[in-house]
Amino acid sequence: QQQVKQSPQSLIVQKGGIPIINCAYENTAFDYFPWYQQFPGKGPALLIAIRPDVSEKKEGRFTISFNKSAKQFSLHIMDSQPGDSATYFCAASAYMIYNQGGKLIFGQGTELSVKP
Amino acid sequence: DGGITQSPKYLFRKEGQNVTLSCEQNLNHDAMYWYRQDPGQGLRLIYYSQIVNDFQKGDIAEGYSVSREKKESFPLTVTSAQKNPTAFYLCASSIAGKYEQYFGPGTRLTVT
Repeated sequence: QQQVKQSPQSLIVQKGGIPIINCAYENTAFDYFPWYQQFPGKGPALLIAIRPDVSEKKEGRFTISFNKSAKQFSLHIMDSQPGDSATYFCAASAYMIYNQGGKLIFGQGTELSVKP
Repeated sequence: DGGITQSPKYLFRKEGQNVTLSCEQNLNHDAMYWYRQDPGQGLRLIYYSQIVNDFQKGDIAEGYSVSREKKESFPLTVTSAQKNPTAFYLCASSIAGKYEQYFGPGTRLTVT
């Protein structure tokens, strides 16, 4: 199946907390897993991405953890700040397998609120 | 400034009218995409194009049409056949063969 399931739908944390957003997929052909950040009324911005040959990737305060056997991946935001309040989307792609030109399958999104 | 521009930001139309959304990029990207976003849902692919004069249907192409006459432009027409056209429309682009997609600011279309 080409679905990506994302949870939770919404999340509230205090400043400095570590919100964790989870995604699960079924299709083992997926080989690229990005996270996007979207502020209200704006287009999504690519935050960080991982390929299935690594289990973790860090970029600044953002970390992706990847569990290939469980077909799950998650986004952790260290030392979260009110400015991180946004909607976060996970996605997956299988460019070469399906020859679909980089088609991204998106999760449903998580609305994160970081309280001061 | 390099990037993707979408115009207009807000668009209002009466039911039964066709409407064309603009997407332009100066990133020299080969591939371009159109997604639709509805409240509480992820983005869904409408059409994509990997090269000029060629494009493919995505998951929800019914009621939409596109053209790709220039590398930098990929306009989307929402036709009267689209049953629920009110949505936030996002255009994206990428380098051919690369996964990373970069999005424009979006156009919010309201049809009444």
